[in-house]
Amino acid sequence: GAVVSQHPSRVICKSGTSVKIECRSLDFQATTMFWYRQFPKQSLMLMATSNEGSKATYEQGVEKDKFLINHASLTLSTLTVTSAHPEDSSFYICSARTRGAGSYNEQFFGPGTRLTVL
Amino acid sequence: QQQVKQSPQSLIVQKGGISIINCAYENTAFDYFPWYQQFPGKGPALLIAIRPDVSEKKEGRFTISFNKSAKQFSLHIMDSQPGDSATYFCAANNAGNMLTFGGGTRLMVKP
Repeated sequence: GAVVSQHPSRVICKSGTSVKIECRSLDFQATTMFWYRQFPKQSLMLMATSNEGSKATYEQGVEKDKFLINHASLTLSTLTVTSAHPEDSSFYICSARTRGAGSYNEQFFGPGTRLTVL
Repeated sequence: QQQVKQSPQSLIVQKGGISIINCAYENTAFDYFPWYQQFPGKGPALLIAIRPDVSEKKEGRFTISFNKSAKQFSLHIMDSQPGDSATYFCAANNAGNMLTFGGGTRLMVKP
């Protein structure tokens, strides 16, 4: 199946610093990538939809200046948490959409990045 | 209209038993209904998915039952094993747009 990787898997940073998380589709081209946030024992919350070569579409309540998304190529999207604060500590997960016969809706998820802001 | 409601929130099943998780949706435009399995500290993994033109899909021990008129779908895990202990999410979308997730079900299979 399609493989999506994320880097880093865990990151600890000081309050006020910025953190970049990478999401890569390893064996397919992803025209669309999605970024989710997940708090403990909760469901996934969509933060933004990222289309290659265009600006990301953010969900209501998500600050686009705080969570910068770049989707510069068909295999890479990045999420930068700027001026991170402890309340930004969470599990960030990306997914990538593949298109193919009978699978145009499928999204494949990365392993997630655990961000801890001290 | 975008909600997907999932129940139960948690489920304990004996090894060898059947685990059943239910979801209900409102948006009749949804045309793709996947189930994801998530282990602690990992991303969700696609388990099985169904489209509304069929009422049931089976893959190994996992079966999705789909009731279009009731706008409900469910996941059945036959012969549940301790290794199946995880959180399960149902989801729905249409035309490849954003997935709408259910709230999740934490399944524990006791040996």
